Amino acid sequence: GAGVSQSPRYKVTKRGQDVALRCDPISGHVSLYWYRQALGQGPEFLTYFNYEAQQDKSGLPNDRFSAERPEGSISTLTIQRTEQRDSAMYRCASSFQETQYFGPGTRLLVL
Amino acid sequence: GENVEQHPSTLSVQEGDSAVIKCTYSDSASNYFPWYKQELGKRPQLIIDIRSNVGEKKDQRIAVTLNKTAKHFSLHITETQPEDSAVYFCAANPTDSWGKLQFGAGTQVVVTP
Repeated sequence: GAGVSQSPRYKVTKRGQDVALRCDPISGHVSLYWYRQALGQGPEFLTYFNYEAQQDKSGLPNDRFSAERPEGSISTLTIQRTEQRDSAMYRCASSFQETQYFGPGTRLLVL
Repeated sequence: GENVEQHPSTLSVQEGDSAVIKCTYSDSASNYFPWYKQELGKRPQLIIDIRSNVGEKKDQRIAVTLNKTAKHFSLHITETQPEDSAVYFCAANPTDSWGKLQFGAGTQVVVTP
């Protein structure tokens, strides 16, 4: 079946603009996770959901970052007033139990 | 919170030899330890995982061992092949938030023919 998908795959934006990154999990997966991955580094946890409930948002860097999953399926990670330091690969993962399956990521570049 | 350290950061092996990557974790109550392989430009893919009630798990040329007392776990790849070249990440789940995987910094494995 279809894996985790993310859109857009690439996003170039100017500093100060808001961006919304979308994640479409594997059908039936209860849990959805957001990570940020710097080049050559392991994924860094941002937040995760069980169904529509945000269980842990301790990894969100500051209050410019927010995430939602209103119907327990698709999720959106929003970054407001983007800064150059926000440039990174943002990855989504989903799971039914413990095993997390990653999406292809959204490469964000803030100019 | 959980802290995962991974060594070595790079590993070069001859084709056919074995490769071993080691990770240590800090939360003694962590109970799930996956290993991911990430090829250049691709997404991380799970290759094997182990739970704390098991000491060793094997899947063809890949094995993972867990030492709960010492709080470390290792990935073993035997009979390495060029297609094993990739970055490998270990991870552990902290007990204060089971969905929050803490990843190691990664090991770049290069298998030379």
